[in-house]
Amino acid sequence: AQKITQTQPGMFVQEKEAVTLDCTYDTSDPSYGLFWYKQPSSGEMIFLIYQGSYDQQNATEGRYSLNFQKARKSANLVISASQLGDSAMYFCAMRDGTDSWGKFQFGAGTQVVVTP
Amino acid sequence: NAGVTQTPKFQVLKTGQSMTLQCAQDMNHEYMSWYRQDPGMGLRLIHYSVGAGITDQGEVPNGYNVSRSTTEDFPLRLLSAAPSQTSVYFCASREPNNEKLFFGSGTQLSVL
Repeated sequence: AQKITQTQPGMFVQEKEAVTLDCTYDTSDPSYGLFWYKQPSSGEMIFLIYQGSYDQQNATEGRYSLNFQKARKSANLVISASQLGDSAMYFCAMRDGTDSWGKFQFGAGTQVVVTP
Repeated sequence: NAGVTQTPKFQVLKTGQSMTLQCAQDMNHEYMSWYRQDPGMGLRLIHYSVGAGITDQGEVPNGYNVSRSTTEDFPLRLLSAAPSQTSVYFCASREPNNEKLFFGSGTQLSVL
């Protein structure tokens, strides 16, 4: 069963605007981690941000912030002040399991195109 | 700082051929894993390892074998390639107390 759902296959955003990428997850483990990765057209996977299930505050990394709503099981990525270089595929991922390793599961991704 | 190195970057196989995708990391990471990326399906875990001599299956292990004889290397073997194995393959590693996955640059495999 799909544990990570990204409902937006693609979206356009104007430069300098903010964009929210949706991600919902499903797990019964109390301990889990949520991630966002960026994949530009060159193909590499770039780590953006991490949120632990016990973290009290939403994670932020520069222009990226993770809107963590635990009760709703959502972990939306917010990119502020979009830049042309933000055009890429974005993947939401989750690691669940109480062991220190866990297995990572990825969503299907959201293609973002930033327009001038 | 090499990080995670995958070879080759591109490969074309005929149905039934075998090959090994190489993955090496120089960060002394215990955890290594292989994913395949297909359009509309994100990345799916094939096999993973939590240390030398220890491997386990992920979500889509059929048709693939792995071994982990050293901490540094985690090769993925296709014993008899099938067109359904046409995909982009990523190797990734991490430390136990660091949540971040480090990815290789990927291998684009086509099976004709």
